[in-house]
Amino acid sequence: GAVVSQHPSRVICKSGTSVKIECRSLDFQATTMFWYRQFPKKSLMLMATSNEGSKATYEQGVEKDKFLINHASLTLSTLTVTSAHPEDSSFYICSARDLWTGSLGQPQHFGDGTRLSIL
Amino acid sequence: QKEVEQNSGPLSVPEGAIASLNCTYSDRGSQSFFWYRQYSGKSPELIMSIYSNGDKEDGRFTAQLNKASQYVSLLIRDSQPSDSATYLCAVLYNQGGKLIFGQGTELSVKP
Repeated sequence: GAVVSQHPSRVICKSGTSVKIECRSLDFQATTMFWYRQFPKKSLMLMATSNEGSKATYEQGVEKDKFLINHASLTLSTLTVTSAHPEDSSFYICSARDLWTGSLGQPQHFGDGTRLSIL
Repeated sequence: QKEVEQNSGPLSVPEGAIASLNCTYSDRGSQSFFWYRQYSGKSPELIMSIYSNGDKEDGRFTAQLNKASQYVSLLIRDSQPSDSATYLCAVLYNQGGKLIFGQGTELSVKP
């Protein structure tokens, strides 16, 4: 089945550091990937839609200069949290859209998530 | 603003009982609906999809959709302690394939 690999699984770093999270589709090409953020006991909030070869589309209220998204190939999207602060601590999850399995009832395949902790 | 609403719970049921989870959505044009299960610290796992009015059964899970009422539900029969998790309702918006999630219902199945 379609597999999405997200790395790293956990990051602990100091305030002011920039952190990069990678999301890879391992056995399919993903023209569209999505980035979510989830705070404890809260739902997944879509941050942005990442399209291969073009600029990401950010949801309302998400700072594009704070959360840099790059989708340079059909299998890789990256999210960089720039100058991270404690309030950016959260669980970040990526997903990828496989047009083939999407037609079979699986709209997105999720990575395992990245637990980001800013001290 | 496209919204998906769920009761946050927690919902507690005894082992062997039926757990009923509910969800409403705001966009009347929505066509695709999903239920995900999420264990603490893990990413969501798809358990059911439904597109047509009525019931859809898969093992112990039954999804129900009523587009006129903009209502989706999930029934879990013979609930097991391993079903204890947060259940997320999601609606697919065809523009760009975005999924919009409800806030999730925490289910606890007591042995």
